[in-house]
Amino acid sequence: KAGVTQTPRYLIKTRGQQVTLSCSPISGHRSVSWYQQTPGQGLQFLFEYFSETQRNKGNFPGRFSGRQFSNSRSEMNVSTLELGDSALYLCASSFGTILKYNEQFFGPGTRLTVL
Amino acid sequence: AQKVTQAQTEISVVEKEDVTLDCVYETRDTTYYLFWYKQPPSGELVFLIRRNSFDEQNEISGRYSWNFQKSTSSFNFTITASQVVDSAVYFCALAHSGTYKYIFGTGTRLKVLA
Repeated sequence: KAGVTQTPRYLIKTRGQQVTLSCSPISGHRSVSWYQQTPGQGLQFLFEYFSETQRNKGNFPGRFSGRQFSNSRSEMNVSTLELGDSALYLCASSFGTILKYNEQFFGPGTRLTVL
Repeated sequence: AQKVTQAQTEISVVEKEDVTLDCVYETRDTTYYLFWYKQPPSGELVFLIRRNSFDEQNEISGRYSWNFQKSTSSFNFTITASQVVDSAVYFCALAHSGTYKYIFGTGTRLKVLA
């Protein structure tokens, strides 16, 4: 069974640009979450989508947005990039059921560098 | 407040030594889930274990064991007879019932020396 895939794996952008990251969950998983990992702040939750709806959101500015498609694939967009947005962006997927909780499985991440 | 604390920033051990990674959590909820993930140098978080708040049974999986104690809000992870391949950053995480929003600890970097 294929794992969570993320594209691209590496990205270099300049300040002010925008970027779109993509995540394909494990087949059958309907929940996709995004996390930002930096040396200073650690792993921080961005948002979670389930069946094309944002179900939870972390404390990030509106420049960070996402969406989920009907096939459960998800994209994350960051507009007006800042130097501080340089990070490893991790995507995680799960079945996403609430009554019967299950763990998330993570992708390899996209390393974004903002110059 | 919801919080996960991993006080050990970095631990170095010699191969075959036992090592325990500490995790202390804070939550007001009665139903919650605790996790351990391993992050090797490649960067991908690897799921190790999930525990729900109603199950305080300790678990052993090969060289890995977990000790969950609600009385002290701790969920510690022990690696027995450590190996060089165990070298990684280990994260403890907390999630509340009804949400897949994980709250991660800051991680413990484990170095196992040959």
